[in-house]
Amino acid sequence: NAGVTQTPKFQVLKTGQSMTLQCAQDMNHNSMYWYRQDPGMGLRLIYYSASEGTTDKGEVPNGYNVSRLNKREFSLRLESAAPSQTSVYFCASTQGWGIQYFGAGTRLSVL
Amino acid sequence: GEDVEQSLFLSVREGDSSVINCTYTDSSSTYLYWYKQEPGAGLQLLTYIFSNMDMKQDQRLTVLLNKKDKHLSLRIADTQTGDSAIYFCASSYGYSGGGADGLTFGKGTHLIIQP
Repeated sequence: NAGVTQTPKFQVLKTGQSMTLQCAQDMNHNSMYWYRQDPGMGLRLIYYSASEGTTDKGEVPNGYNVSRLNKREFSLRLESAAPSQTSVYFCASTQGWGIQYFGAGTRLSVL
Repeated sequence: GEDVEQSLFLSVREGDSSVINCTYTDSSSTYLYWYKQEPGAGLQLLTYIFSNMDMKQDQRLTVLLNKKDKHLSLRIADTQTGDSAIYFCASSYGYSGGGADGLTFGKGTHLIIQP
């Protein structure tokens, strides 16, 4: 049971570079989420997709774009990375009741 | 919007009970959760409680909900070194209570176990 799989696990970028964080779930869940975790800040919601074909902004969407490619996959794109986007990024999915299943995270450093 | 508050650190002796507290602001929160995060790992759901419940027990874990005071607690009995982690309180209130619009997390409580 893979659950929620995130790639890559680690990434270092230079300011201004772009990259896409990938997330896939094999639990047939409808809803998927991207969070960022910063020291002392807990987790903050960046974007979410309540169902295939829909995406909505969360608390901190600026500087990010998302694509719900199909029911399984939800990607997060940084078009022009900034040092303020250095963080740990978590993808999650849920079928309902708010019980979210998390991936292991992507640790991103922007220099 | 919703705000969820937790103390940042809790230190307990091995074998004692740990009580981690959380307060939330939105009285329409319908589901409340406790997640555990070990170093370098993602978040693991420990337990959850619906807003129409006062208490839920699951092996060593006891969750108490005081809706009047908007206070949630997690008690871990017989705390072991393996319980050392960050514990997050989270709430949801969206879409049929299913939280389809995401969870609101507290900043997390670091549980430190003393031998």
